[in-house]
Amino acid sequence: QVHLQESGPGLVKPSETLSLTCAVSAYPITNGYYWGWIRLPPGKGLEWIGSIYHTGSTYYNPSLKSRVTISVDTSKNQFSLDLKSVTAADTAVYYCARPLLGHTLVAPFDSWGQGTLVTVSS
Amino acid sequence: QSALTQPASVSGSPGQSITISCTGTSSDVDSYNYVSWYQQHPGKAPKLMIYDVSNRPSGVSNRFSGSNSGNTASLTISGLQAEDEADYYCGSYRSSGVWVFGGGTKLTVL
Repeated sequence: QVHLQESGPGLVKPSETLSLTCAVSAYPITNGYYWGWIRLPPGKGLEWIGSIYHTGSTYYNPSLKSRVTISVDTSKNQFSLDLKSVTAADTAVYYCARPLLGHTLVAPFDSWGQGTLVTVSS
Repeated sequence: QSALTQPASVSGSPGQSITISCTGTSSDVDSYNYVSWYQQHPGKAPKLMIYDVSNRPSGVSNRFSGSNSGNTASLTISGLQAEDEADYYCGSYRSSGVWVFGGGTKLTVL
């Protein structure tokens, strides 16, 4: 049973970079899934941020693409999110997740981390 | 503004059936049979309830069913139970690796 755990600062100042890591356990990150980041702003709906394959291929939400970088570290079995130039609108619970099926971008996410709240405030 | 449109809230009594709609566009719901539904209880991670419009992952009750027509997908919960009270989100694939979600619907079991 795969386990995902997000980690990173819970408070980020406006204009700075939000950085989170998702540690994956009980499953090799190189086993062919498109690992994803999704967020849930308070009072709003889910928002897909982007996905990454273990080879480093990335897919980003067009509305966030200019500010987002997702990377993978196969030696540590983890992947990371950097979101630069944050504002209060980036305050959200951030989740990392794995899709139901491997080797495809069209599979929904069925394994999720517990989520981590990131607040953007000075 | 979310990419997919859901009603903000729905309610029903125990034992009844409810349906939650999810309206998209010709770029997502109307083009791909990759609509999914998630259930989220307060403080918990989302749980996948339906995928590929109408398929249930292993372990999900058959009281949950999905369908679609044109640019609108629907989630139906039959035999409502108190434990079904939660937020529900729809999601759809939109090409080139992009996923979109709805704004969420709060289900209240009266």
